[in-house]
Amino acid sequence: DSGVTQTPKHLITATGQRVTLRCSPRSGDLSVYWYQQSLDQGLQFLIQYYNGEERAKGNILERFSAQQFPDLHSELNLSSLELGDSALYFCASSTSWASGSGTDTQYFGPGTRLTVL
Amino acid sequence: AQSVTQLGSHVSVSEGALVLLRCNYSSSVPPYLFWYVQYPNQGLQLLLKYTSAATLVKGINGFEAEFKKSETSFHLTKPSAHMSDAAEYFCAVSDQDSGAGSYQLTFGKGTKLSVIP
Repeated sequence: DSGVTQTPKHLITATGQRVTLRCSPRSGDLSVYWYQQSLDQGLQFLIQYYNGEERAKGNILERFSAQQFPDLHSELNLSSLELGDSALYFCASSTSWASGSGTDTQYFGPGTRLTVL
Repeated sequence: AQSVTQLGSHVSVSEGALVLLRCNYSSSVPPYLFWYVQYPNQGLQLLLKYTSAATLVKGINGFEAEFKKSETSFHLTKPSAHMSDAAEYFCAVSDQDSGAGSYQLTFGKGTKLSVIP
């Protein structure tokens, strides 16, 4: 158990709909990262928040948005859903904003499996 | 732009045999390199990381990896495979976006390791 929690575990919805995925980081972690894992694209970094502010942006579509709240939990909002958005969405957290430098570790949650029908 | 290539989407080894999972990277600056493991229905877990200290890096569960700059490689090895090593392994590279002052992990496509009894 990494200490990162994600809800819901599974989500099934229809094209055109909007969903919200939720992530609670490990206690004390200020950074939250969102990743998308799909069969064709692999594991892709979407966005990072650090202490409530956006820190880095990856391959995140304009239909997707995220935020980090004062209690440090984060939500990823996916709108106008398409079949191709079906994927596993992971949240990770770390203490600092610079875990990519190896100074600390990103801890991954178990993921939310999104199925768009 | 940085990228990671993992040779072999599937690797099978016998229990007790050497495990070798290959990773080659490209990066315009000295990289930070990581290996993660993903067990079925779980999030990713960090195995080890290279952050420009020792070129031979030891990780958890008996795994190690060697950074070879001349070959732009960071192959993962384990002398003797256990059944419990069956999982998917991801190599990742990170470098700093000096403009934004942030780091992003770029993952390879993953290698699924099967261990045959």
